[in-house]
Amino acid sequence: NAGVTQTPKFQVLKTGQSMTLQCAQDMNHNSMYWYRQDPGMGLRLIYYSASEGTTDKGEVPNGYNVSRLNKREFSLRLESAAPSQTSVYFCASSLAGGETDTQYFGPGTRLTVL
Amino acid sequence: QKEVEQNSGPLSVPEGAIASLNCTYSDRGSQSFFWYRQYSGKSPELIMSIYSNGDKEDGRFTAQLNKASQYVSLLIRDSQPSDSATYLCAVILTGGGNKLTFGTGTQLKVEL
Repeated sequence: NAGVTQTPKFQVLKTGQSMTLQCAQDMNHNSMYWYRQDPGMGLRLIYYSASEGTTDKGEVPNGYNVSRLNKREFSLRLESAAPSQTSVYFCASSLAGGETDTQYFGPGTRLTVL
Repeated sequence: QKEVEQNSGPLSVPEGAIASLNCTYSDRGSQSFFWYRQYSGKSPELIMSIYSNGDKEDGRFTAQLNKASQYVSLLIRDSQPSDSATYLCAVILTGGGNKLTFGTGTQLKVEL
């Protein structure tokens, strides 16, 4: 099992460009999450999907959109990238989304917006 | 006040010593608490979860929860250089469903 995979690993964008970060999991998990991690700010939840067909906003959703394509895949889209979106983006998944669930993280995408 | 607070460190301990990492949280109704380890340039990985007051031990790791005082701690016994990492405390806040709120992490350095 690959667990949680993310593509790309690194990306450099210019302000105003768009891109989609891809995430897939092969653990048959129901819930998936997108976080960003910035120095001194910790991990912050952008969007999550409790189950296939549902998505909800997290703490910092502005400037992002998501799509839960199927049970395995959850993508994050930046429509018009801004320098403030320079960050490391992590995708995670968990089995059932309950309070005792373990979230498993992907390797991350390091995004720089110039 | 931040919802989950940790001292950023670095916390330096000699090899073989006990490392004590602390986390406080603001939401008295929180029920689920997690410790993640993150090596530099890598993704977080869960090392401990705790839901009840008291201690929970797993190998060299012990998580301690005190809901009355609203803190959760992680003890690492016989610290090794391989334990050098950032330790993230995460809490599910009241009504948070399955959403984790993370502290900013404590950097631990285990010195030879």
